[in-house]
Amino acid sequence: GQQVMQIPQYQHVQEGEDFTTYCNSSTTLSNIQWYKQRPGGHPVFLIQLVKSGEVKKQKRLTFQFGEAKKNSSLHITATQTTDVGTYFCARTGSNYQLIWGAGTKLIIKP
Amino acid sequence: NAGVTQTPKFQVLKTGQSMTLQCAQDMNHEYMSWYRQDPGMGLRLIHYSVGAGITDQGEVPNGYNVSRSTTEDFPLRLLSAAPSQTSVYFCASSYSNRGTDTQYFGPGTRLTVL
Repeated sequence: GQQVMQIPQYQHVQEGEDFTTYCNSSTTLSNIQWYKQRPGGHPVFLIQLVKSGEVKKQKRLTFQFGEAKKNSSLHITATQTTDVGTYFCARTGSNYQLIWGAGTKLIIKP
Repeated sequence: NAGVTQTPKFQVLKTGQSMTLQCAQDMNHEYMSWYRQDPGMGLRLIHYSVGAGITDQGEVPNGYNVSRSTTEDFPLRLLSAAPSQTSVYFCASSYSNRGTDTQYFGPGTRLTVL
């Protein structure tokens, strides 16, 4: 249906390593939004992708929208402690409401 | 601008009690919504409103009521609290209901029902 599958649920990395989370849909997406939630905090909007094959960068973060508009990814290069949190993707459903992935929790190993 | 504000930050209820979670925004946004967040389940939509006087149900509306008498305020009422309603509740607003606008979230209310 309209769900978005987000993987992995958790990712443990050493500081300085890269991190990637993926969102997949069985149906074509009109758009995809990405949010970050710090521990104990609330979701904060990062970016929206709408075009097939779109790639957007925000410093060390790279967001991609697949050519078929059925998947998206967020890649963080050289993670820092400030990147810790849960990253969510969200799609617009048929009634214009946002449908959220379950999130990927980024954990930095001590 | 204060953005989206929510009160209280924390609340403990006993089963069967009722309460209202408050939400207000000062950005003149038409669209407001309530989500609950449970571990490993992302955000689930409870109720939403596309403008003053207009509300509708989301994915998990049972046990909750809402009203929207002004553009600014969107309270969520728990009618008879149950332990299954233990969760973190977020209120969010956006400029419109087109689904492509940025959603701005409040800080959340952490609710425990005993």
